[in-house]
Amino acid sequence: EVQLVQSGAEVKKPGEPLRISCKGFGYYFTSYWITWVRQMPGKGLEWMGKIDPSDSSTKYSPSFQGHVTISVDKSISTAYLQWSSLKASDTAMYYCARRYGGYDPLDSWGQGTLVTVSS
Amino acid sequence: DIQMTQSPSTLSASVGDRVTITCRASQSINRWLAWYQQKPGKAPKLLIQKASSLQKGVPSRFSGSGSGIEFTLTISSLQPDDFASYYCQQYDISPFTFGPGTKVDVK
Repeated sequence: EVQLVQSGAEVKKPGEPLRISCKGFGYYFTSYWITWVRQMPGKGLEWMGKIDPSDSSTKYSPSFQGHVTISVDKSISTAYLQWSSLKASDTAMYYCARRYGGYDPLDSWGQGTLVTVSS
Repeated sequence: DIQMTQSPSTLSASVGDRVTITCRASQSINRWLAWYQQKPGKAPKLLIQKASSLQKGVPSRFSGSGSGIEFTLTISSLQPDDFASYYCQQYDISPFTFGPGTKVDVK
């Protein structure tokens, strides 16, 4: 069974760094891109960026470029989303999801990681 | 970036109703459009890809149509499990933007 399992909820203070993770199970991890999607409280879905685990190439939405970093460790089938300095406005649920590449949608999603940033 | 819009933003309906949600793209995306269902506190679930291809296991009361810039998601007979939010997403040109969502609630 294909699964994407994300790390647990985080509560952080503004200015702190954070890295959350997404581990793939049940499929060839390097065959599927991993995408990160933000959902702010009560709001819709926002496409943040994607990474190709086979070569670590990335593509970011202009809205998120420079604010987050997407990385991968293919040896442990895990993708990461990280911030160097969190802001209160980063409070949101973050989902990872996979897509095959080329012209494909997001066919399997993680359960989400809730990030709360508050002083 | 390609902008996606959806209408209506909220739809109040009853069990058994036929429901239609519209999604429009700011430029042609051919048929590279997906529909997702999201229930409160849960991750989105892929329902339809390539505008009209139903995912395995998705009930046949769901259907999608359209191409170019205008697309629709139709639920032929709304069931209790269908009360949720629905999002379209274009995956033609990166960034692969989502529509703002349509919430289907109980009338």
